[in-house]
Amino acid sequence: QLVLTQSPSASASLGASVKLTCTLTSGHYSFAIAWLQQQPEKGPRYLMKLNSDGSHIKGDGIPDRFSGSSSGAERYLTISSLQSDDEADYYCQTWGTGIHDVFGGGTRLTVL
Amino acid sequence: EVQLLESGGGLVQPGGSLRLSCAASGFTFSTYAMNWVRQAPGKGLEWVSAISGGGGMTYYADSVKGRFTISRDNPKKTLYLQMNSLRAADTAVYYCAKDLGYNYGYEPFDWWGQGTLVTVSS
Repeated sequence: QLVLTQSPSASASLGASVKLTCTLTSGHYSFAIAWLQQQPEKGPRYLMKLNSDGSHIKGDGIPDRFSGSSSGAERYLTISSLQSDDEADYYCQTWGTGIHDVFGGGTRLTVL
Repeated sequence: EVQLLESGGGLVQPGGSLRLSCAASGFTFSTYAMNWVRQAPGKGLEWVSAISGGGGMTYYADSVKGRFTISRDNPKKTLYLQMNSLRAADTAVYYCAKDLGYNYGYEPFDWWGQGTLVTVSS
């Protein structure tokens, strides 16, 4: 069964960088994922599609501070030069033929 | 700019029905699959249902199969979710989300609405 695992929380200081992780279950390491940002009381915002080789395509208007990378089962979202409005929940999502969309449990990012 | 505006949420008793709508603008609606995703209070995201761009293919999560029906009106650029036999566990904010592909299951969702709250309670 395909499961995406995320740490429940992360924190970093204003102006610093943070790297969030989404881990795919064994046997699904070739899957692409998407990263989503959900600010408080808002709908999710699509950040990027991240492939298993680390290539990624960002959504409209997503700043260069957001980047993605991959290594084996891990998919990463790196946010540099942290700003206060980066404080949000971050979800990963995956999909596939015959597999209904799956979301990770989300990581709540606190900007200190 | 792409906009998705959900409506139709509210308070309904267990066993009741509700129909959600999602008005779309800013893109060629019929070219993309559309989805409903829900989020229970304080919880994560759960995919609910999807429909292909032409409306010919529909998909449901096991938790709603047989109770919910997704549909779309392409000339009106509107997505619907008919929800019957509602349960307390269906209480959530319901988001419509635009797929990046015409057929469901090949791409992520690149635009999301602000959501509409459905509360199932007596």
